[in-house]
Amino acid sequence: AQSVTQLDSQVPVFEEAPVELRCNYSSSVSVYLFWYVQYPNQGLQLLLKYLSGSTLVKGINGFEAEFNKSQTSFHLRKPSVHISDTAEYFCAVTRIQGAQKLVFGQGTRLTINP
Amino acid sequence: EAQVTQNPRYLITVTGKKLTVTCSQNMNHEYMSWYRQDPGLGLRQIYYSMNVEVTDKGDVPEGYKVSRKEKRNFPLILESPSPNQTSLYFCASRVLAGNQETQYFGPGTRLLVL
Repeated sequence: AQSVTQLDSQVPVFEEAPVELRCNYSSSVSVYLFWYVQYPNQGLQLLLKYLSGSTLVKGINGFEAEFNKSQTSFHLRKPSVHISDTAEYFCAVTRIQGAQKLVFGQGTRLTINP
Repeated sequence: EAQVTQNPRYLITVTGKKLTVTCSQNMNHEYMSWYRQDPGLGLRQIYYSMNVEVTDKGDVPEGYKVSRKEKRNFPLILESPSPNQTSLYFCASRVLAGNQETQYFGPGTRLLVL
C-alpha cells in the first residue's frame, strides 16, 4: 500500500517570497507522483506530475517539484509567490503497475500575505 | 472541451432520504472513481470502476453504492444518508496510457446531511 504525508498543514508566506511545500511518500513499489491545487470553492487542478525521466518537473503557474527517490520525497517549490497562489495543495501518488487509485496527502493550505 | 461534470453541485438533505449524485465524462475514459474530501484527511477513494459493469471498493465504501452501465456515467448513490456522510465529493476519470497518465476531476458536490 502507498501513503503520503504532507509535513505542513498550513504555510503562511509573504507575497514575492519563495515557498516550499513538503511531501513524503511510502511505497514498496514504483509510483507516479502528482501535485494538485484546489482554489477556494473549486475542484482539483493538476499542477505537475512525475512519471519518469528528469527528476525536476516543471508545472503550471511557475511551480516545480523534485523527485528524490532516496528520500522518498516530492517537494513543491515556487521562487516567488503571488496572492493568487492562495489555495490548498495536495500531493498524491499512484502505483505504476495496476494503478487503481490516487492516494492523497492531507493537504497544505498556502496563504499568501501582502 | 474535455470535462467531468457532476450534479448537483450543492445538496442539503435529511438522514435516511436516498440520493444520487451524477457524474459524467466526455473523454471516453475507461476508469472512473469517486472521492470524498474532509478537512485534515485529504481525499479518500470511495469506489472506482475500471470499465462498464466493473466496479470495486476503495478505502471508504461503507454507506455508498455505484453503478457503471454506460462508459460515460458513474453515479454515486447514498441509499440512507447519515450525518457522517456530510462531505465534499469529487468524481474523476482517467486515461492510463504510459506517459499520458492524467486524472481529471469534476467540480465537486458539497453535501450536507442533517
